[in-house]
Amino acid sequence: DAKTTQPPSMDCAEGRAANLPCNHSTISGNEYVYWYRQIHSQGPQYIIHGLKNNETNEMASLIITEDRKSSTLILPHATLRDTAVYYCIVRVAGGLAGANSKLTFGKGITLSVRP
Amino acid sequence: GAVVSQHPSWVICKSGTSVKIECRSLDFQATTMFWYRQFPKQSLMLMATSNEGSKATYEQGVEKDKFLINHASLTLSTLTVTSAHPEDSSFYICSARDESPLEGFDEQYFGPGTRLTVT
Repeated sequence: DAKTTQPPSMDCAEGRAANLPCNHSTISGNEYVYWYRQIHSQGPQYIIHGLKNNETNEMASLIITEDRKSSTLILPHATLRDTAVYYCIVRVAGGLAGANSKLTFGKGITLSVRP
Repeated sequence: GAVVSQHPSWVICKSGTSVKIECRSLDFQATTMFWYRQFPKQSLMLMATSNEGSKATYEQGVEKDKFLINHASLTLSTLTVTSAHPEDSSFYICSARDESPLEGFDEQYFGPGTRLTVT
């Protein structure tokens, strides 16, 4: 699976949008971009994933550049409970290749939401 | 989303004893489960992939005789830390792969983790 690079940390004010960047310049055509987050002392929580189109769900939006070499996770209205480590991961999904792929966690980005 | 549970949530044991951690997928069947370990202020490190009905696949550097994995059913995998030592103290997290979600992708869901302290 391709590697990703994320800034080590960022902060934002409560109620404002949090934009978390991720670079994945070596992503392959069949690899998806996944975002998970881990709140302190808990297991990771799935947020969203996408292949090439922008995606939105109740938690966040995922914007993937046209060349797919980078993406941005957007939390539209950050709250204090969004303070966590956010992991951007690329992996093959679906089919036999997906069944044999693993989620490999990097260091992630620590988001601190301030009051 | 699907729910994965772990038991116990925390455990303290004496050096030299063995500890078993259970991972259950509550509302889906999981042919494949994964075990991760996380030391303080570090990221999750994959230890092994657990396959129902077959032997687990261990990542490089993980001692298979020390970390025994059993995946006897489609909803339960266990990790036994044998002859535990203080350096085994860590946060152990399991995840289970849901291979039949609505969208056709396999999704991986994580348990809440087990905090192991070896004294």
